Amino acid sequence: NAGVTQTPKFRILKIGQSMTLQCTQDMNHNYMYWYRQDPGMGLKLIYYSVGAGITDKGEVPNGYNVSRSTTEDFPLRLELAAPSQTSVYFCASRDPGPGETQYFGPGTRLLVL
Amino acid sequence: GEDVEQSLFLSVREGDSSVINCTYTDSSSTYLYWYKQEPGAGLQLLTYIFSNMDMKQDQRLTVLLNKKDKHLSLRIADTQTGDSAIYFCAKWAHSGGSNYKLTFGKGTLLTVNP
Repeated sequence: NAGVTQTPKFRILKIGQSMTLQCTQDMNHNYMYWYRQDPGMGLKLIYYSVGAGITDKGEVPNGYNVSRSTTEDFPLRLELAAPSQTSVYFCASRDPGPGETQYFGPGTRLLVL
Repeated sequence: GEDVEQSLFLSVREGDSSVINCTYTDSSSTYLYWYKQEPGAGLQLLTYIFSNMDMKQDQRLTVLLNKKDKHLSLRIADTQTGDSAIYFCAKWAHSGGSNYKLTFGKGTLLTVNP
């Protein structure tokens, strides 16, 4: 199986544009997460979902929206891009088994100019 | 709230052991993790330990947990240049009695010199 996949790998946006970052997992995990990683700052949770139809805010949700219509997909929407949203975005899903491990996608690098 | 702290940099010579340290504030029972991130890549799980354990060994990796001092360490034996990466310590934060998000340290950049 492919694990967690993300598209696109890299994107440049102009201020005020919108875009959707795609995330798909094929492990049938209920829990999924969106993080952003800024240099030297570790990872911050943007939104998470405990299953299809259920989402909740994380630490830094402002400027973002999510939806979870299926178990597999968890897209992240930026409505009005701002330079402060320049970051690397990681999607993850959580294995409910021993260790409760999170598996991460390869990331989407976003530059807002 | 949960806080996870790591030193930011570590430099070692090839063949030496590396020890990366992490401290945390919340003492709730849960899993603690070490992730590795190579340049331009996502986070790769290296190992994890449950908070009722003191030590876990997995090939070249040894995790030590001191619950009293809330201190977690990752030892890499015989460090190789391919081990150069950023290493993140992470721990679950709780909400409503269940794990709801991973709290990450800021990462330790390990540089291995030939």
